[in-house]
Amino acid sequence: DAKTTQPTSMDCAEGRAANLPCNHSTISGNEYVYWYRQIHSQGPQYIIHGLKNNETNEMASLIITEDRKSSTLILPHATLRDTAVYYCIVRVAYNAGNMLTFGGGTRLMVKP
Amino acid sequence: EPEVTQTPSHQVTQMGQEVILRCVPISNHLYFYWYRQILGQKVEFLVSFYNNEISEKSEIFDDQFSVERPDGSNFTLKIRSTKLEDSAMYFCASSEARGLAGGPGETQYFGPGTRLLVL
Repeated sequence: DAKTTQPTSMDCAEGRAANLPCNHSTISGNEYVYWYRQIHSQGPQYIIHGLKNNETNEMASLIITEDRKSSTLILPHATLRDTAVYYCIVRVAYNAGNMLTFGGGTRLMVKP
Repeated sequence: EPEVTQTPSHQVTQMGQEVILRCVPISNHLYFYWYRQILGQKVEFLVSFYNNEISEKSEIFDDQFSVERPDGSNFTLKIRSTKLEDSAMYFCASSEARGLAGGPGETQYFGPGTRLLVL
């Protein structure tokens, strides 16, 4: 699976958009970008995933650059409960094992 | 909303003892996983399980570990002779299907974890 690079930590003001970047410059054509988060040692929580088109769901939006070498997770109106470690994970499609490989993630601190 | 559940939430054991961690995956899911997270470290894959067989396992998953689906709802992780370094959070996950990453049902959903402390 392609390696990802994320900032170690970020701050965001409550109510503002949180934009979390991820670099995956070695991504290949059959690899998806997944985002999970982990709130204070709870189980990782799935947020969103995409291949090349931008995606949106009730939790977040995922913007993937045209060359797919980087992406941004957007939490449109961050709340204190969004304080967590956010993981960007690139996964190969089929026959390559199904495990998730977690890196260090970005520790997002939402402040009042 | 369906969710993965795990019991117990906390387990304290003596070194050398056997422990069994239990998980109830989401009911229509067919693929099951165990991950662990040592305090302050990354979440690490241990094993995946499908159709009563191990699909993949990591180097961490040595002969001290075993998994089982003893009935139609439970999925267990057994550590035969615990070591101090087995102290960690253990997370169970399940997915509906496996195959093309990003395909429908392929997303893994995690339980809340069992905190294991080996003394």
